[in-house]
Parts: sequence; structure tokens; C-alpha cells
Amino acid sequence: GENVEQHPSTLSVQEGDSAVIKCTYSDSASNYFPWYKQELGKRPQLIIDIRSNVGEKKDQRIAVTLNKTAKHFSLHITETQPEDSAVYFCAAISASGGYNKLIFGAGTRLAVHP
Amino acid sequence: NAGVMQNPRHLVRRRGQEARLRCSPMKGHSHVYWYRQLPEEGLKFMVYLQKENIIDESGMPKERFSAEFPKEGPSILRIQQVVRGDSAAYFCASSRQGTQETQYFGPGTRLLVL
Repeated sequence: GENVEQHPSTLSVQEGDSAVIKCTYSDSASNYFPWYKQELGKRPQLIIDIRSNVGEKKDQRIAVTLNKTAKHFSLHITETQPEDSAVYFCAAISASGGYNKLIFGAGTRLAVHP
Repeated sequence: NAGVMQNPRHLVRRRGQEARLRCSPMKGHSHVYWYRQLPEEGLKFMVYLQKENIIDESGMPKERFSAEFPKEGPSILRIQQVVRGDSAAYFCASSRQGTQETQYFGPGTRLLVL
């Protein structure tokens, strides 16, 4: 079945440094890749997404890259701030069968130290 | 424009009781998804519903769990004869369409089984 692997599971950086989280997916039909940020006790919130017809997308300090050939995509956070500390989940969606199902990675716990 | 609503936010049940979780999608959304999140773990897909139809229930245990999304009213996830292992956060998400559409999450229901 579909599978999404996410690395690293934990990431600790100093404020101002960059953070990179990587995911690979197994279903070659996947065509939509969202990233969610979840703070402790809160709901997952969409921070950025990318579709398979583009290779990169940027929104201020956050960027996502997609390599469809290699079936992997990455989240890049630049100039990290303490409020970026949270668990980040990547996901892949497959439209095969006419409907979408989000398959999540296991999450990356990011800690940004002042 | 209200987001996805879930209630109750916290639910305590004793083993053997029933748990009923409700989800009202965002206005204009007719697709609902339920996910389970165990402590310190990622989100696992359970079931995908459209109005009056179950589209995919491949992630839902066959025993004790059921879901519905009636023509009127919220989607309901029902867990009968709860056991301690059912303790988790249950999130629902909704989308406008069912293909490549962003899913927006509710605040979750935290179920504790004593």
C-alpha cells in the first residue's frame, strides 16, 4: 500500500539557522503533497503544499521542493524562530480511484533554540 | 467563516461504554475524513465519507467502529465497547471536492478510556 517516510524524526537548530525535513513516498500516482504544522495539543495546520506539476514553491521563509522521478519532497525553513518549534508532518495524496486519501509521514519534532 | 468543528473536545469513557464523536465540516465542504492520532505518533487515516456515502473505510477497524455522514447534520464516528487502546486524539478534516483538494482539520476530540 501507499507509504510515506519522513526524516529526521527530531531536529534541533539554533534560532536563525535553516531546517530541512525530507519525505519519500511510494505511490507514483501521488500528485499533491501538503505539509502540516502541529503545535502541542492543537490541530494540524496546513503551512504549504505543492502539486506535481511544479518542482518548487516558496512562501516567505518556507519552501517546498518536489522530485517526482525520485519520489521525494522536502520542506525548507529559513531563518528559524522559536515559534517554528512544533511537529511537522508531510503527506502525500493519491487521486487514483477518483478520490484522495492523505497518507502522513511519522512527523518531525523541530526545536528551535534561542 | 467557521472552520471545521468537532465536539466534544474531550471525552472520558469507561471500558465497555460507547463513544460518539461529531464533526461539522466547513461551510461548502461535502467531503469528510477521520484520522486517529496516538500519543507521540502521526495521523492515521480511518475513513472517508461524502454525504450519505462511505467512500473508503480501509483504515477503520472492522469491529466496534462505524462512521456516518447523514444528509442533515454532522458526521459521526462511533466507537462501541471502548477499550483502553482506543484512547487517542481523533481528528476530522473536510474538503470541498474529493480530488487534490486541501483538507482542513478540526480541533480534534481527545478520548480517554479509563
